[in-house]
Amino acid sequence: YELTQPPSVSVSPGQTARITCSGDALADHYTYWYQQKPGQAPVLMIFKDTERPSGIPERFSGSSSGTTVTLTISAVQAEDEADYYCQSADSIGSVVFGGGTKVTVL
Amino acid sequence: QITLKESGPTLVKPTQTLTLTCTFSGFSLSTSEVGVGWIRQPPGKALEWLALIYWNNDQRYSPSLRSRLAITKDTSKNQVVLTMTNMDPEDTATYFCAHRGPWGIVPPFFDYWGHGILVAVSS
Repeated sequence: YELTQPPSVSVSPGQTARITCSGDALADHYTYWYQQKPGQAPVLMIFKDTERPSGIPERFSGSSSGTTVTLTISAVQAEDEADYYCQSADSIGSVVFGGGTKVTVL
Repeated sequence: QITLKESGPTLVKPTQTLTLTCTFSGFSLSTSEVGVGWIRQPPGKALEWLALIYWNNDQRYSPSLRSRLAITKDTSKNQVVLTMTNMDPEDTATYFCAHRGPWGIVPPFFDYWGHGILVAVSS
């Protein structure tokens, strides 16, 4: 089972970045999003498709539609340059991560 | 404040067994609804979930690696141990342990992570 993400997204500062994650089971399971900067551990950015943990900036938001979920970064800042991973589960409940999306701030 | 830290060898030989320890603080695995998982990341590649253990000793494994993995807990030491048998150069990766997010939210996710430990497999 796979979660499919675009390998890369490029965005200018102040613009909006959208990262998609697709998978057949996403219609039945919550999705989570993590940000990972080079040499660092992942950080949880979104849980239960749309909720932000405390301390995560409001410019990060999540949405879901059928088998595709989207992480949106509004008014992108240079510090948002990182790899982003979606995570959910397959049909038997095993944890699955997407292949990751590298966000480049131009 | 929840913290986790991975420890273990940074170099193992092919066919050997890897044993990694996650030492944590800020929570207890004797408390209901708590879980700790292991995730790995080969250099330049994506995250891969390995295993998860809960307060009640319920153990979950990645189907593709189940035959090679064992996860155990030592509640008195606040530690979780992962063993992986028959190591191969393709198992070279950074191995992370992480705290499972709040019980009742499924599927499982991870809200606190250790810094990770890079393990190389080479003869």
